[in-house]
Amino acid sequence: ETGVTQSPTHLIKTRGQQVTLRCSSQSGHNTVSWYQQALGQGPQFIFQYYREEENGRGNFPPRFSGLQFPNYSSELNVNALELDDSALYLCASSRSGAGQNEKLFFGSGTQLSVL
Amino acid sequence: GEDVEQSLFLSVREGDSSVINCTYTDSSSTYLYWYKQEPGAGLQLLTYIFSNMDMKQDQRLTVLLNKKDKHLSLRIADTQTGDSAIYFCADPAGTYKYIFGTGTRLKVLA
Repeated sequence: ETGVTQSPTHLIKTRGQQVTLRCSSQSGHNTVSWYQQALGQGPQFIFQYYREEENGRGNFPPRFSGLQFPNYSSELNVNALELDDSALYLCASSRSGAGQNEKLFFGSGTQLSVL
Repeated sequence: GEDVEQSLFLSVREGDSSVINCTYTDSSSTYLYWYKQEPGAGLQLLTYIFSNMDMKQDQRLTVLLNKKDKHLSLRIADTQTGDSAIYFCADPAGTYKYIFGTGTRLKVLA
C-alpha cells in the first residue's frame, strides 16, 4: 500500500511569486486535505477536496487555491506569496468523503520558505 | 470557536511513563486523535479513541478520555529515546476540519 507522497520536499521562493505543491493520496483514498503548519504551531486546515471539488475551507485567503485530479492526486497553489506563507505544508488523505470519522493520513510535507 | 490546548514541553527519563494532556472545547466529535511528529517529518497517526469510551489501551499507549471535563490524555509506558517527538491532540470538532493543538514536545533523557 502506497502512502501519501508530497513534492517537492523543500522550496525557496521570493515574495510576490507563485508556487504549486503536489500530493498523491494513499491508495484507496479519494479525499485530500491540505494543512499549513507554521514553526512551533499545530497544523491549520486550509481546504479539503473530494470528487474534484473543494469541499470546505478554513480561514485562508483566495490566493490559496487547489485542484484535485481524477486519480485523486491534488495540487495546492499559492499566489502573491507573502513572508508569512513560510511554513510546512501538509497533505492528508482519507478514505471517503468529508466525514469526521475518517482518519487522516499525512505526507511528509513541503517546507516552503519565502524570502 | 473550537480550540485545543496542550502544554508545550515534557521531559522524562528513559523507562519512566510519560503523560501528555490535552483539553478541547468541541464535544461533538465521534473520535479524538493523537498524532506524532518527528523532526522534519509529517504527522503519524498514533492512536485514537471513540468518544463513548473512557479508556483505550494499545501496547505501550493508553488514552484516557474525560468527556465531562473535555480532557484527553496520552500515557506512554516505558518511554524510550525513540519516543522523543512532538505529540498533537486533534479534534475533528464534529466536521472534517481537524483542530490541532500546538503540540507537546517530549524529550526523553537517557
